[in-house]
Parts: sequence; C-alpha cells; structure tokens
Amino acid sequence: QSVLTQPPSVSEAPRQRVTISCSGSSSNIGTNAVNWYQQLPGKAPKLLIYYDDLVPSGVSDRFSGSKSGTSASLAISGLQSEDEADYYCAGWDDSLNGWVFGGGTKLTVL
Amino acid sequence: EVQLLDSGGGLVQPGGSLRLSCAASGFTFTSYAMSWVRQRPGKGLEWVSAISGSGGSTYYADSVKGRFTISRDNSKNTLLLQMNSLRVEDTAIYYCTKDSDTAPAGAFDIWGHGTMVTVSS
Repeated sequence: QSVLTQPPSVSEAPRQRVTISCSGSSSNIGTNAVNWYQQLPGKAPKLLIYYDDLVPSGVSDRFSGSKSGTSASLAISGLQSEDEADYYCAGWDDSLNGWVFGGGTKLTVL
Repeated sequence: EVQLLDSGGGLVQPGGSLRLSCAASGFTFTSYAMSWVRQRPGKGLEWVSAISGSGGSTYYADSVKGRFTISRDNSKNTLLLQMNSLRVEDTAIYYCTKDSDTAPAGAFDIWGHGTMVTVSS
C-alpha cells in the first residue's frame, strides 16, 4: 500500500488529453512539493515535473502539473503513442522523514 | 554530460551482504543530495535511502533501517549502499539518483541505469 494514491491505469485516444491524480496527506503533498516521473518500458525513470508544476528543460510542454491541498495532478495533452509509460508521483514526507511514491499509473494510448 | 553509473548488483543468498556503488560525473558532487530508489520485479518505485551533499545526514526507509547503510566518498564522486542481512524481498533493480538540492528535498533529476540485486537460495 503506497503512501500516495494513484489510479492503477488510465487510457485515452491519440491527440486527446488525460489527467493522472495523486492523493496524499498533510505530511507530504499538503506541505511539500510534488514531483512526477515517467518510466518508459524497460527504462530508468525520468523526471517529468518538479516542484508541483515546473517542467525540466528538454521535457515537452504537453506535460503539466498542478496541486491543490493534499492532491496533485499530471496532465498530458495531445497524446502520442510514445507517451505510453508508467507515471509516478513522489514527495517528501515530514512524518516518515523520507521520500514517498505513488503506486504508479500505467498510461495506454488507444 | 551529467551521468550516474551504478554497479555492484548480483546474486546473493538470504542473510548475505552486497555493496552497491554509483560513480557520478558531470556535476559538483558535493553540492547535491543523493538517493537510492529500488523497483521490485513488476512493481512500482520505492525510495530506499538518502544522504545529504556533505554526507552529514542520512535517511532510510523503515524496510531497510538497521540493515542498509548509505555513504558517499566526495573525494571520488562515489555513492555507496552497503546492504547486510539481505532478504528475498530486497530483490529489485536499484537506481542511484541525484537530487536537485543539497538536502534531500528537491527532485530526482538524474537517474542511473540501475543494477539488479537478486536474493535467492
């Protein structure tokens, strides 16, 4: 059971928009920044969004992040087949004094 | 080029020990916290341990506390993870990661390719 809660899977058609939710608590998302990671099949994870809504250099602006209270969301617009991957949210937890991850969401582009 | 090369994985019996290494290059190693993150076969990501840029502060997940020790050799730009009393459930790919901050509170902006640890009799 992960500390942060994500839907196990989402699916959407190409060129559409999809959102992935991440629910936490006051000791993690409610207090600290949320980061999102993309893991393509067979690859190491890659930073996708950091500090809630910042996009690293080199990452497509089709990816965006937001946060409200103890929940965060990742949005992907203009879906492409290469977006098929596992997506993880993560943040520092003050109570556990460590990083916590969501269980991951598998994105399927129909 | 910023790069992390993790190594040291392998097959070990339950109760055994293993030491993972991560060679960093392309950035000022002492300026950033580092972490180990693992992924059990077919499962999600799990943070294991973190260390501050100076090495003065260390952090552990409850699942490994008392068995694993994280350290860094800033003179050699190397991150280490000493794993003792290994259990079958420690079987996973272990990723070395760089934090974007001196303390472990930023984001894992660089990842190694991972090294596989298999604990089995």
